[in-house]
Amino acid sequence: EIVLTQSPATLSLSPGERATLSCRASQSVGSSLAWYQQKPGQAPRLLIYHASNRATGIPARFSGSGSGTDFTLTISSIEPEDFAVYYCQQRSNWYTFGQGTKVEIK
Amino acid sequence: QVQLQESGPGLVKPSETLSLICAVSGYPISSGYYWGWIRQSPGKGLEWIASINHGGITYYNPSLNSRLSISMDTSENQFSLKLTSVTAADTAVYYCGRDRDDASFAAFDIWGQGTMVTVSS
Repeated sequence: EIVLTQSPATLSLSPGERATLSCRASQSVGSSLAWYQQKPGQAPRLLIYHASNRATGIPARFSGSGSGTDFTLTISSIEPEDFAVYYCQQRSNWYTFGQGTKVEIK
Repeated sequence: QVQLQESGPGLVKPSETLSLICAVSGYPISSGYYWGWIRQSPGKGLEWIASINHGGITYYNPSLNSRLSISMDTSENQFSLKLTSVTAADTAVYYCGRDRDDASFAAFDIWGQGTMVTVSS
């Protein structure tokens, strides 16, 4: 099973700041890496698929990069509605998820 | 607009079988895509369970495989999950979703709102 490790566990930021979230895979997943946002009481929402492609309706301030084992989700200027938990997910032989990074208001 | 809605019992007794249904609206599931289940518990986070495609091809999480069954009812435009011999470890919020299982996508792009299932006597 491919294990995804996200860092940091918690990120404290002020609105307008840049957010950089990391996801590291225990072995190469190529570009089969997605990112989700989850708010309390809601289902996860797909942000990025195939490492760097924004899903439908996702604002341009969200971007993804990386390949192989190291991936990054960047929020260029964080908005109040972006404070949430973010998960990465890989699809190699089957799907696995990271443990999440909570982005909180500083 | 494609929407998914989970339904099922909120409480299941240990050793019994958990049965869930996901009703899909806005898209005939016989037309394409995979459709799957994911669960979320405080202890294990997000965990993919199983997926099925429009042709009935299935794939399962190996750690749950022996207890799982996923099926599709195209006449009702819904798909179902059965998990046998449940324990407290199966307590979670269960989500259904559209599984874009192709090499250039590989993610769940539409999710239901989720249904809480508690395993307890």
